Amino acid sequence: GAGVSQTPSNKVTEKGKYVELRCDPISGHTALYWYRQSLGQGPEFLIYFQGTGAADDSGLPNDRFFAVRPEGSVSTLKIQRTERGDSAVYLCASSGGTAYNEQFFGPGTRLTVL
Amino acid sequence: KQEVTQIPAALSVPEGENLVLNCSFTDSAIYNLQWFRQDPGKGLTSLLLIQSSQREQTSGRLNASLDKSSGRSTLYIAASQPGDSATYLCAVYPSNTGKLIFGQGTTLQVKP
Repeated sequence: GAGVSQTPSNKVTEKGKYVELRCDPISGHTALYWYRQSLGQGPEFLIYFQGTGAADDSGLPNDRFFAVRPEGSVSTLKIQRTERGDSAVYLCASSGGTAYNEQFFGPGTRLTVL
Repeated sequence: KQEVTQIPAALSVPEGENLVLNCSFTDSAIYNLQWFRQDPGKGLTSLLLIQSSQREQTSGRLNASLDKSSGRSTLYIAASQPGDSATYLCAVYPSNTGKLIFGQGTTLQVKP
């Protein structure tokens, strides 16, 4: 497809489990971003990749959160020992196709930790 | 630290009314500003992006303005329709790369 895609669309897990969330950016976009959105709030930045490397990971809340982008395209956000407070919508965006580095967002993954 | 605030948090208007959504930011040193629409349970759809050198952008019934010196942007919606009901988010680009900083959004309901 032409847009950013994210899988799964919904993920329900139990407290303490490990989860992986996947993002497929727009083809050719070099920059990829992860955000987290809690109910009733605006998205909050987690991490930004330029190519394969994490250019800014200042938004990751703690060391249970980790993200990779090994080939500079698909990215995976990994959460270890999930907690109920991790429940949120995780949004991915990519940019690089316009002169203004406009970010284009995927539909998000809704994570629920029971 | 850049902070983005949107007022009001929620707004309900009758169909056909013109309305203004407000966004303010604390640091005027921004690169771009972008308005998004978010429908319940969905991702973000870009509405308008205003470059720092611009003062406004228009798309159909939408007009967004930017006043960097005062740290404000407004989104004007003309002749509102029930299909405009959604949450509208304002976000600033602190630089030409990297993260967006979002406001909390304004949830709009347009009643038929």
